[in-house]
Amino acid sequence: DTEVTQTPKHLVMGMTNKKSLKCEQHMGHRAMYWYKQKAKKPPELMFVYSYEKLSINESVPSRFSPECPNSSLLNLHLHALQPEDSALYLCASSQEGSYEQYFGPGTRLTVT
Amino acid sequence: RKEVEQDPGPFNVPEGATVAFNCTYSNSASQSFFWYRQDCRKEPKLLMSVYSSGNEDGRFTAQLNRASQYISLLIRDSKLSDSATYLCVVNSRAGNMLTFGGGTRLMVKP
Repeated sequence: DTEVTQTPKHLVMGMTNKKSLKCEQHMGHRAMYWYKQKAKKPPELMFVYSYEKLSINESVPSRFSPECPNSSLLNLHLHALQPEDSALYLCASSQEGSYEQYFGPGTRLTVT
Repeated sequence: RKEVEQDPGPFNVPEGATVAFNCTYSNSASQSFFWYRQDCRKEPKLLMSVYSSGNEDGRFTAQLNRASQYISLLIRDSKLSDSATYLCVVNSRAGNMLTFGGGTRLMVKP
């Protein structure tokens, strides 16, 4: 089973709102990732968690705040976003020792 | 120079055709290589890993040329359902990080 789930599927939020994206995997993977993907572009890495600790932050603005409550869950807290933050937000996971990453279906975010 | 480069296409081919995509990467220290497939408005899905000896999965064949730093994907007997964007992916950076090429769009026509 190579399933990563994400909620919500779609999210519309205003620039003053606070919202959270959620990601879950039950494959025992110990690395989890957040990516941002704009139309007709490849995914861009935002954050990497390894063993529930933030290991990489790709200079992402502080209005995006990741959280890893446990080895199966990954959240992305959003606050004071800009319209240009509208994109598909993808979560992925990989098992220890492997570079193969498995993606969730994504959350399509629109900031108004 | 981009770390991973692909021809964006689109490649328009008839059903049953054979089509090949190439991808070049700049970091000679890269160790792992993949092809992902992404349908419109969907997530990328791992199509296959690419091994030094080359590997085949049904109609799909992937090859790696380390000396020239390029990766190829060959699709035989194209199906309408093969229409998608194919992403070349390389671990060109430290840790678990992957670098994605810009993708090659394939459109298979009846």
